Amino acid sequence: EAQVTQNPRYLITVTGKKLTVTCSQNMNHEYMSWYRQDPGLGLRQIYYSMNVEVTDKGDVPEGYKVSRKEKRNFPLILESPSPNQTSLYFCASSLTRAYQETQYFGPGTRLLVL
Amino acid sequence: AQSVTQLGSHVSVSEGALVLLRCNYSSSVPPYLFWYVQYPNQGLQLLLKYTSAATLVKGINGFEAEFKKSETSFHLTKPSAHMSDAAEYFCAVSDSWGKLQFGAGTQVVVTP
Repeated sequence: EAQVTQNPRYLITVTGKKLTVTCSQNMNHEYMSWYRQDPGLGLRQIYYSMNVEVTDKGDVPEGYKVSRKEKRNFPLILESPSPNQTSLYFCASSLTRAYQETQYFGPGTRLLVL
Repeated sequence: AQSVTQLGSHVSVSEGALVLLRCNYSSSVPPYLFWYVQYPNQGLQLLLKYTSAATLVKGINGFEAEFKKSETSFHLTKPSAHMSDAAEYFCAVSDSWGKLQFGAGTQVVVTP
């Protein structure tokens, strides 16, 4: 089944404790991105990757890191989480970054930073 | 820069009634517009998209949307609401580089 998977689905942590949220897709997509969803703000892009070893900042990159060492994986790293990073996070992928491409979303990771 | 405005953060409809979700966009180039749906505890999935082929776009689950350039709108409709339509709906616009800009979302509640 074609899908985007994320782990963990739920995470509670404390301020400053490094964490990684994994994202994997099995559709051989080139383009992957991370979003955060906050009430009243919709989804905002954190980082994106156009292909292996090619990543770039989205609209809200502060406090996050990413890497793209393999085509299928695109982990999101919070090196020193803070309470304002409490949010719902989505990974998404599409075949390319072309404007008409459909993005496929993972199930989401709900993060609470205490 | 592209942007999207969704009118109404919450919409309540009766089962069997018309569903109408409003979306207005701002774009300096011909837009590519999308509606995504998010069911509880799930990721977003594509309902439909406009890519200039036809102004009336049909999507999954009986939804459709009409692109109106003169009104800069892309409203989503469904003639008869089902209980299973309860979800959050997002309108999004893509720029020429493929970056999606999402609206704030509209939560749809369906009452019996």
